[in-house]
Amino acid sequence: QKEVEQDPGPLSVPEGAIVSLNCTYSNSAFQYFMWYRQYSRKGPELLMYTYSSGNKEDGRFTAQVDKSSKYISLFIRDSQPSDSATYLCAMTNTGNQFYFGTGTSLTVIP
Amino acid sequence: GAVVSQHPSWVICKSGTSVKIECRSLDFQATTMFWYRQFPKQSLMLMATSNEGSKATYEQGVEKDKFLINHASLTLSTLTVTSAHPEDSSFYICSARGQGDSGANVLTFGAGSRLTVL
Repeated sequence: QKEVEQDPGPLSVPEGAIVSLNCTYSNSAFQYFMWYRQYSRKGPELLMYTYSSGNKEDGRFTAQVDKSSKYISLFIRDSQPSDSATYLCAMTNTGNQFYFGTGTSLTVIP
Repeated sequence: GAVVSQHPSWVICKSGTSVKIECRSLDFQATTMFWYRQFPKQSLMLMATSNEGSKATYEQGVEKDKFLINHASLTLSTLTVTSAHPEDSSFYICSARGQGDSGANVLTFGAGSRLTVL
């Protein structure tokens, strides 16, 4: 079983839709959770960083962590064509090793 | 926020030559840097982990004599692809882990370096 599972998509939504991206994980020791956005031929860009369970909101983005279910989500409200990218979840317990999902490819259609 | 600068962004070289890629943390000290390789439409593949002042730890299957990693200071790590061959053509990305409660458990990535070996 992989440490982190993420549906690769592709996911295609109309502009303005709410997008839900998810990852599940197997290691209950993970405490720090990240979401990255990666445009084609660019390095991943940190979108959200959360510690332990709960929600965190930043503009149109909301990150949720449910440690009891080992499940994390990223919601994008009012999606824009510029949100079209690959989204990677990542997590760690100590910061010595980071575990990544395979990424979900998102296309927002104008 | 934390910024990692990676250069060059794109390099073309002839087969048999060596190429050096630099990764710098601009506004924080990076105790640990990670080097990844990424093939088109695939996820990140960890190549090695480097800690400042010590030898890099390579992932299984990664040739340490081909991919030389040096982490000489808290703000600079380099990856040298030695005797490059066309199969080494790929997208290489570095990332850095900072210090303290806010920086030690999150990675900041460079913009990546596209290597094409002719």
